Amino acid sequence: GEDVEQSLFLSVREGDSSVINCTYTDSSSTYLYWYKQEPGAGLQLLTYIFSNMDMKQDQRLTVLLNKKDKHLSLRIADTQTGDSAIYFCAEANQAGTALIFGKGTTLSVSS
Amino acid sequence: DVKVTQSSRYLVKRTGEKVFLECVQDMDHENMFWYRQDPGLGLRLIYFSYDVKMKEKGDIPEGYSVSREKKERFSLILESASTNQTSMYLCASSSLEGADTQYFGPGTRLTVL
Repeated sequence: GEDVEQSLFLSVREGDSSVINCTYTDSSSTYLYWYKQEPGAGLQLLTYIFSNMDMKQDQRLTVLLNKKDKHLSLRIADTQTGDSAIYFCAEANQAGTALIFGKGTTLSVSS
Repeated sequence: DVKVTQSSRYLVKRTGEKVFLECVQDMDHENMFWYRQDPGLGLRLIYFSYDVKMKEKGDIPEGYSVSREKKERFSLILESASTNQTSMYLCASSSLEGADTQYFGPGTRLTVL
């Protein structure tokens, strides 16, 4: 069935780059998404990539998509303490009616 | 600006009580969703609705029901709350055209004692 996998934790130092990885199973999704959840808050759409693109850059964020390997990554350059949050990778289900989320990667940034 | 609101941020109920969680969106979105979020399990879809009075079961509908009487409002109902329904509940909405771009509310943390 459809599934999205992510590593659960990542710890980096302030100023370093963070790379959060995700693998997914359903290649029919038109878009793939990254959501951010800060402590005690709901999910916020961070960025997304169209499935026919390899890369999307948005300020400090770079999304890389490898369709052949069904691998998606989110790179945060110059990571700040304010980037500490849970990051969720998501794809649409086959029917296109709902999103399938990974379990989330907790990013911890130390100063 | 996109806005999804949930009626309570924190809620404490007793086992067996009937619980209503309300969600309102002001974006005229057709689709609305209810998820629960638990540590180590991520987000799991409970129910969703793609139109007024329409509903579809998600992955974990047992013990829950929903109501969509108006386009902007989607209610999650726990008919008889149980301790294993203690969780963070997240509501989301999306338009028909951008069906997989969802906007989330702040969440309701429900504790069932």
